[in-house]
Amino acid sequence: QVQLVESGGGMVQPGKSLRLSCAASGFTFSDYGMHWVRQAPGKGLDWLAVIWYDGSHKYYGDSVEGRFTISRDNSKNTVYLQLNSLRAEDTAVYFCARTEQMGGDFDYWGQGTLVTVYS
Amino acid sequence: SYVLTQPPSVSVAPGKTARITCGGDNIGSKSVHWYHRKPGQAPVVIIYYDSDRPSGIPERFSGSNSGNTATLTITRVEAGDEADYYCQVWTSEDRPVFGGGTKLTVL
Repeated sequence: QVQLVESGGGMVQPGKSLRLSCAASGFTFSDYGMHWVRQAPGKGLDWLAVIWYDGSHKYYGDSVEGRFTISRDNSKNTVYLQLNSLRAEDTAVYFCARTEQMGGDFDYWGQGTLVTVYS
Repeated sequence: SYVLTQPPSVSVAPGKTARITCGGDNIGSKSVHWYHRKPGQAPVVIIYYDSDRPSGIPERFSGSNSGNTATLTITRVEAGDEADYYCQVWTSEDRPVFGGGTKLTVL
């Protein structure tokens, strides 16, 4: 069965960095675009970034462009999100999710990993 | 940037019909996907491509999309349907965008 398992969250001070990982299993990872989406406390879903199935294209949401970097290793069935220059407003649960194609739905999501930025 | 507008909350009595709207400029020309998220759980797609239902999602859930409004309809609402509901589309710049979410309360 399809599984996406995030890790790497935790408590970090403002200005610091963190790298999140999402390990995939149960499907051909290299066939899918992979995304990161977050949800801050009391807020809605906020799309952050996508990386194409082969890593050839990456796109970012306005809220994180320039600070966060998405990458993937198809040999390890893992997608990453490097979070730099963290701010208090980056406190959120971070989810990875997949789409089969551009325009498609997010058909599987991980359970999320919590990032807390505190001062 | 493309904006999707949802009502913050919708309340409905058990057994009745709930309708959750998602407004956007000419959203009828786009494909709309709907998700629900219950506390502590991952989001789950409940309607994709406007009106298709994944396996395992009850027929009580349906979607429509026309003009400037997409609508998620839940018939015979149950207590277990309480959740936050989100619509989502892809923009012309190939970026996904979510609506602000609607909290469904079953009275």
